[in-house]
Amino acid sequence: KNEVEQSPQNLTAQEGEFITINCSYSVGISALHWLQQHPGGGIVSLFMLSSGKKKHGRLIATINIQEKHSSLHITASHPRDSAVYICAVHKNSNYQLIWGAGTKLIIKP
Amino acid sequence: EAGVVQSPRYKIIEKKQPVAFWCNPISGHNTLYWYRQNLGQGPELLIRYENEEAVDDSQLPKDRFSAERLKGVDSTLKIQPAELGDSAVYLCASSFYLAVDSGANVLTFGAGSRLTVL
Repeated sequence: KNEVEQSPQNLTAQEGEFITINCSYSVGISALHWLQQHPGGGIVSLFMLSSGKKKHGRLIATINIQEKHSSLHITASHPRDSAVYICAVHKNSNYQLIWGAGTKLIIKP
Repeated sequence: EAGVVQSPRYKIIEKKQPVAFWCNPISGHNTLYWYRQNLGQGPELLIRYENEEAVDDSQLPKDRFSAERLKGVDSTLKIQPAELGDSAVYLCASSFYLAVDSGANVLTFGAGSRLTVL
């Protein structure tokens, strides 16, 4: 079983819809990252979380340390949000960065 | 701020040739990562530095790959000799050491170096 699991693997939605991507992990962590990668593009760090909630524009990230679960939400989704969203965690034991498999999001106009 | 700078952006070589990639992390970032990303897959960690010390190189194919981070700043990743299967994007990233509550996006990636081995 992977230490970081994301769901769904693929998500297609209409412009304007509220999007939720989930990340569950099974190891002790010191921090969790949400990252974005556009097709053929570089990886951009969206959020780094250790507790609670962070908001940036239309993006919201939450984390529940007790449940070992994080969610990334996109409000009023737009075709330019189409990308792969990756959850990655820093393990407590050696600060290694463990990546989820990514969620491919497509927003249709 | 310039961000994480990588060069070259693109490199095409024939198999058995050597190749080197360079990374300049964000000033003050003590942790530096080299990743390899194959098309359609997530990044695979090759090596992680804390300052000038390689603290995790378990995934680095040491028979042909080498890396160094002199003075704990810039880093180079070398492949010698390159094989067809080495074609990938090589990503460099840097971060503060667990500066989790800084409020900033402290894990920053470079644009990557795309290697094609013919």
